Amino acid sequence: AQSVTQLDSHVSVSEGTPVLLRCNYSSSYSPSLFWYVQHPNKGLQLLLKYTSAATLVKGINGFEAEFKKSETSFHLTKPSAHMSDAAEYFCVVRTMNTGFQKLVFGTGTRLLVSP
Amino acid sequence: NAGVTQTPKFQVLKTGQSMTLQCAQDMNHEYMSWYRQDPGMGLRLIHYSVGAGITDQGEVPNGYNVSRSTTEDFPLRLLSAAPSQTSVYFCASSYSAGQWDSPLHFGNGTRLTVT
Repeated sequence: AQSVTQLDSHVSVSEGTPVLLRCNYSSSYSPSLFWYVQHPNKGLQLLLKYTSAATLVKGINGFEAEFKKSETSFHLTKPSAHMSDAAEYFCVVRTMNTGFQKLVFGTGTRLLVSP
Repeated sequence: NAGVTQTPKFQVLKTGQSMTLQCAQDMNHEYMSWYRQDPGMGLRLIHYSVGAGITDQGEVPNGYNVSRSTTEDFPLRLLSAAPSQTSVYFCASSYSAGQWDSPLHFGNGTRLTVT
């Protein structure tokens, strides 16, 4: 079965310091992986996606993620946090095991950014 | 371009009442879906549709009905509301049901409280 584990429910950083949000996945098939961001009272917005091309994926707003098959990880990073990055982040795995995509969402990591 | 539009934004129901959550997209997307978001549980798929006239159950379908008479609209019906259905509901669509890298586009959500 496919699953996603976000290792931290909350991450706190200071503005200008690096961000690391951790995600591990489990999949019997070659997965597609996504990171979505949710700002308060909003829907989820796609940050970036991995679909078996380059293992280092660049997304919007300076975020990037690296797919590491040996570690079954897809951690999200940003070199320098901005106050506007404060939001909840979801790691999502998509697999195609029945001819139709199946999405599995992580439980989310809330990023807090202090001045 | 409106994207995915959900109405209403907020709703309070009494136990046993029925209602319909509306979802419309103007992107000619093939795939539409409903998720519920509960604290600490990520997003869970309720129902989905891969095209007009085609719907199927997701992970947590009990207590909900859907239909897809047009490409644009995908309403979610609660036949007899229960307190366990208190949640935030998201409608999401994507261009293709079977395309690996087709990301989801989310509405802004409906916050439902059942008393």
